[in-house]
Amino acid sequence: DVKVTQSSRYLVKRTGEKVFLECVQDMDHENMFWYRQDPGLGLRLIYFSYDVKMKEKGDIPEGYSVSREKKERFSLILESASTNQTSMYLCASSPRTVSPSEQYFGPGTRLTVT
Amino acid sequence: GENVEQHPSTLSVQEGDSAVIKCTYSDSASNYFPWYKQELGKRPQLIIDIRSNVGEKKDQRIAVTLNKTAKHFSLHITETQPEDSAVYFCAASVQGFQKLVFGTGTRLLVSP
Repeated sequence: DVKVTQSSRYLVKRTGEKVFLECVQDMDHENMFWYRQDPGLGLRLIYFSYDVKMKEKGDIPEGYSVSREKKERFSLILESASTNQTSMYLCASSPRTVSPSEQYFGPGTRLTVT
Repeated sequence: GENVEQHPSTLSVQEGDSAVIKCTYSDSASNYFPWYKQELGKRPQLIIDIRSNVGEKKDQRIAVTLNKTAKHFSLHITETQPEDSAVYFCAASVQGFQKLVFGTGTRLLVSP
């Protein structure tokens, strides 16, 4: 059974703080993703990674960075949190296959920036 | 890049009715189309998917159809039940990548 976990379910931070969101998967998946979910906007891809130390920008990377030092862990970093980054953040992972396959999601982190 | 549009944004049905959610995509090279269900407060979970070499796929009360020519695909839920109430997301793959582009979601409400 695939398990994707995220470090916090709820997080409250102040404007300007540096914020770390952690994601861990236990299925040896090569691919990992960070999305933000906002009402009416669906799931938007922030960054993704195909392998350790590898990262690719998604559709909305501005204001974010990522780190993947180990295969099972993918971190999302908000260098200087702003109120417009208040959102639900979802991590996902998938195996490297010939064609795209199911992504497995974590439970999400609801981040509030005040 | 790939763009996925999803309609309707909300859908209310009576228990036992059918529900249909439609998505269109822009990239003719997309070849994988999953549907995710997200119950309130929970993570999105895959309920059904279809690949471009198949026109229709069924799994009990749910089915997905794909029209490659028109670049649209649909989720069909028959005999809806209150536990089908959730937000449903469609997605389409991006050529050459393992990533997906998601639709904006449909909130389905099934009333007893």
